[in-house]
Amino acid sequence: EPEVTQTPSHQVTQMGQEVILRCVPISNHLYFYWYRQILGQKVEFLVSFYNNEISEKSEIFDDQFSVERPDGSNFTLKIRSTKLEDSAMYFCASRVGTEAFFGQGTRLTVV
Amino acid sequence: AQSVTQLDSQVPVFEEAPVELRCNYSSSVSVYLFWYVQYPNQGLQLLLKYLSGSTLVKGINGFEAEFNKSQTSFHLRKPSVHISDTAEYFCAVSGTSSGGYNKLIFGAGTRLAVHP
Repeated sequence: EPEVTQTPSHQVTQMGQEVILRCVPISNHLYFYWYRQILGQKVEFLVSFYNNEISEKSEIFDDQFSVERPDGSNFTLKIRSTKLEDSAMYFCASRVGTEAFFGQGTRLTVV
Repeated sequence: AQSVTQLDSQVPVFEEAPVELRCNYSSSVSVYLFWYVQYPNQGLQLLLKYLSGSTLVKGINGFEAEFNKSQTSFHLRKPSVHISDTAEYFCAVSGTSSGGYNKLIFGAGTRLAVHP
């Protein structure tokens, strides 16, 4: 069964460093998303991406965040200068029709 | 804008007992409704969804949910739970616009703990 794949599963980084979280969406999907879940809190929408551009972003998705689909298969989330409060589980999702499929997540720990 | 309220943060239940996880939503537009399950250290898996039609929808693992428009609710039920159902359950809503890229708005989650 096709699935959304995220790497790495866990990343530890120092405050102020740049991180790139990677996702391989399901191949025939057209809509891509990043969500995050701070420990013990709800899953929050960050950004949606369609036709090689951002279609919607939340207030969380400020200038420190960016997304790219560099080669037609990968979908990346970059955080330019990480803060302690960026520590969370980051989920990638892709969508066809009404159903979104989620990856296993990347746990980002900023120290 | 949409919002989702899951009324119980934790639900303890004994094995083979029935369970209901409650979800209410708020929206000014038509919505699709979803329940996702998250097992420990795993991603989100779709349990079931309501798009239109019959208000009772059946999902995987014996779960079902009923859409009640007048009460803006979408409660999840299972007649007999197993230990393996122990997980976090998230109710979510999205708009139905034709743009296709509608985001999901999640509730805070309900932790279901099934005890032997």
